[in-house]
Amino acid sequence: GDSVTQMEGPVTLSEEAFLTINCTYTATGYPSLFWYVQYPGEGLQLLLKATKADDKGSNKGFEATYRKETTSFHLEKGSVQVSDSAVYFCALRAPGSGGSNYKLTFGKGTLLTVNP
Amino acid sequence: NAGVTQTPKFQVLKTGQSMTLQCAQDMNHEYMSWYRQDPGMGLRLIHYSVGAGITDQGEVPNGYNVSRSTTEDFPLRLLSAAPSQTSVYFCASSYAVNTEAFFGQGTRLTVV
Repeated sequence: GDSVTQMEGPVTLSEEAFLTINCTYTATGYPSLFWYVQYPGEGLQLLLKATKADDKGSNKGFEATYRKETTSFHLEKGSVQVSDSAVYFCALRAPGSGGSNYKLTFGKGTLLTVNP
Repeated sequence: NAGVTQTPKFQVLKTGQSMTLQCAQDMNHEYMSWYRQDPGMGLRLIHYSVGAGITDQGEVPNGYNVSRSTTEDFPLRLLSAAPSQTSVYFCASSYAVNTEAFFGQGTRLTVV
């Protein structure tokens, strides 16, 4: 079945440091790929997405490129801020338009803490 | 601008009790789903619905029931709570199968 593997946390960085959170996936065909962010005490919010190979999703300074050859969707940000402290989830949705393709398969999440 | 609203935010149940977690969305979304979030496990799909009157099981459906009588509401029922159901529950909705999913703020449930 489909699965998502993301780097174990927690990750602790100083403000303005470079961030990479690795994410690899297993799925048939070409899934859609997502990064969600969960701030303390809140629900998940979509951070960025990519729906086909070589697409780059970007938002709020974060970027991730859909790499079919390495089945990866690593999250990067050039200069993190204290306000980026949150849990980050990589997720995929299998291709197709049927109801059974509605499911999002999540990684286990990576806790990021950014210190001033 | 409510989005997805879940109630209650916190709940403590005794083993064997029943309860309903409420979820409502005001975006006229057809697709709704329930996930549970456990430490080190990410989010796992419990049940989902592709429209009023249509529901289906996700990967961890045992111990939970759902129904979808209206487009707006998608309640999750625990018929006989067990300690293994201690978790944070999230409801999500989206316009179509491959569009952005919007999440509620979650319900933290403890079963003692």
